[in-house]
Amino acid sequence: DARVTQTPRHKVTEMGQEVTMRCQPILGHNTVFWYRQTMMQGLELLAYFRNRAPLDDSGMPKDRFSAEMPDATLATLKIQPSEPRDSAVYFCASGLGTFEGHEQYFGPGTRLTVT
Amino acid sequence: SQQGEEDPQALSIQEGENATMNCSYKTSINNLQWYRQNSGRGLVHLILIRSNEREKHSGRLRVTLDTSKKSSSLLITASRAADTASYFCATANAGNNRKLIWGLGTSLAVNP
Repeated sequence: DARVTQTPRHKVTEMGQEVTMRCQPILGHNTVFWYRQTMMQGLELLAYFRNRAPLDDSGMPKDRFSAEMPDATLATLKIQPSEPRDSAVYFCASGLGTFEGHEQYFGPGTRLTVT
Repeated sequence: SQQGEEDPQALSIQEGENATMNCSYKTSINNLQWYRQNSGRGLVHLILIRSNEREKHSGRLRVTLDTSKKSSSLLITASRAADTASYFCATANAGNNRKLIWGLGTSLAVNP
């Protein structure tokens, strides 16, 4: 049963520290999405890759966030330096399609708490 | 920005009853999707309905789409306690920018 995996599942860190979240998309999927979910804002798209190329990161604070896909089996989301307002659940999702609006398969999420 | 708005925000029913959730959106769409999220978990895709379709079924789920009213509904028949979750609609806009735009979800509680 193919699944998107994310590590770590939980992360507690102090303000100013670097945070790295990792995602392994479903083998064969060509799109990867990073989302952030909070009670107030709901689900926000941070970044989107197709065939490992970044296509849209307009939802991401550029000064502290960065997203990469070093290879087809790994996507990373980094926050440096982290701030308390970054506390949220971060989801990775993958899919197969030629445009962004296809069905997406979500990982279990990384719950980030920045103190 | 939010495109889909689910209604109601929260719904509580008894096991065996039907649950209906609605989603309204603002712009022309390519497709509309419904997802379920159990507490503490990732979202799970339920159904995708294209703009030229009016109704779709999957097991106990029935989705309708009315593009003239820019709205969709998700009906869960004969609900079970395991259906307790949040339900989100997401729309893929027509045109070049087809990112999925998400609503804030309907929280469904099915009481045994």
